[in-house]
Amino acid sequence: EVQLVESGGGLLQPGGSLRLSCAASGFTFSNYWMHWVRQDPGKGLMSVSQMNGDGSDSFSADSVKGRFTISRDNAKNTVYLQMNSLRAEDTAVYYCARGSSPEAGIDFWGQGTLVTVSS
Amino acid sequence: DVVVTQSSLSLPVTLGQPASISCRSSQSLVHSDGNTYVNWFQQRPGQSPRRLLYEVSKRDSGVPDRFSGSGSGTDFTLKISRVEAEDVGVYYCMQATHRPLTFGQGTKLEIK
Repeated sequence: EVQLVESGGGLLQPGGSLRLSCAASGFTFSNYWMHWVRQDPGKGLMSVSQMNGDGSDSFSADSVKGRFTISRDNAKNTVYLQMNSLRAEDTAVYYCARGSSPEAGIDFWGQGTLVTVSS
Repeated sequence: DVVVTQSSLSLPVTLGQPASISCRSSQSLVHSDGNTYVNWFQQRPGQSPRRLLYEVSKRDSGVPDRFSGSGSGTDFTLKISRVEAEDVGVYYCMQATHRPLTFGQGTKLEIK
């Protein structure tokens, strides 16, 4: 059974940092692109970052470039999202998701973790 | 970025009746490899999204055949032949032809 379990969300102040983790199981992790997608009640779904299977290719949204970094550890079947210089507008549920190729998009989502940025 | 627009934010439907959700993109979603990478997702209340369709019209495993997808170029449609109570939720289209992935704003299907 495919599982993606996110952790690391929480409440923090603007300017703070947080690292999200997503533990994968039930499939060959290194064969898949991994994504972070966030859902803001006001703005719907937005792709934050994505990374290929061996970590050699990644892409991030303009709104998070220079602040967020995606990485993965294939030995631990885990993908991370390091979030720095957080802003109120980064408040959202962050989903980890997988895809077999960039063009395949997303075929499975985790349950999400809530990040709230507020003073 | 490619802008994906769903024409309706809300869709009230009577049980047993058909439903149709439209999705339009700001540029062609035909990839250089000739395929069109449009996914449709269902998000039930309190749940994460679940993929229903990929490459416009291919159904994922376990998805009832009352769900179908069609379209080409910039215009796409998700159809439910006969709406059931379990279909309540928000439906999103997403394009994966161009980076970054972009989503429509969602269409909330509710029962009349």
